[in-house]
Amino acid sequence: KQEVTQIPAALSVPEGENLVLNCSFTDSAIYNLQWFRQDPGKGLTSLLLIQSSQREQTSGRLNASLDKSSGRSTLYIAASQPGDSATYLCAVERAGTYKYIFGTGTRLKVLA
Amino acid sequence: GAVVSQHPSWVICKSGTSVKIECRSLDFQATTMFWYRQFPKQSLMLMATSNEGSKATYEQGVEKDKFLINHASLTLSTLTVTSAHPEDSSFYICSVRADTGELFFGEGSRLTVL
Repeated sequence: KQEVTQIPAALSVPEGENLVLNCSFTDSAIYNLQWFRQDPGKGLTSLLLIQSSQREQTSGRLNASLDKSSGRSTLYIAASQPGDSATYLCAVERAGTYKYIFGTGTRLKVLA
Repeated sequence: GAVVSQHPSWVICKSGTSVKIECRSLDFQATTMFWYRQFPKQSLMLMATSNEGSKATYEQGVEKDKFLINHASLTLSTLTVTSAHPEDSSFYICSVRADTGELFFGEGSRLTVL
């Protein structure tokens, strides 16, 4: 059974810091991995998708990497801003199923 | 990215009543949609896969008679919570999967059962 864990569960940083969010999964037989942000009471916004043949994706201040063999992904946020405050979720797609399993999330607060 | 619309965004109902939540894919045809449930401060739990023109596939532990899913067209899937009880109160959210593998989500529907 695939289990997805995110560390840390919560993080509070001053504005401007670079930070790393971690995602680990127990079964390396995954297809895609996706990072999302969720604002309180809202749906999920897609941030980055790393497809099975890729190891890294970048969008603006965000960079996500994937190491399937070790079962790990990291989301790097550069020069954090108060608007980055949200819960960040990673999700892995089980190979051959089209089903995504979600991690436990990291609640990020960026202080002005 | 895909645009997914959910309605209603919130609903309050009495125990024993049924509630229907709609999920629409506005800009592409979705043969498959996914329904998730999220409890406060917890992650998303996949409930079922909605398949256009056929029966939904439910995850283990999800009661198919409690959570009725209908996917009658390529742009609309509905989730009906039947005979709702307070323990069914939750945030329900749907998603569609693009051909690239990317998931796009609706805004979610918060159900409160009194």
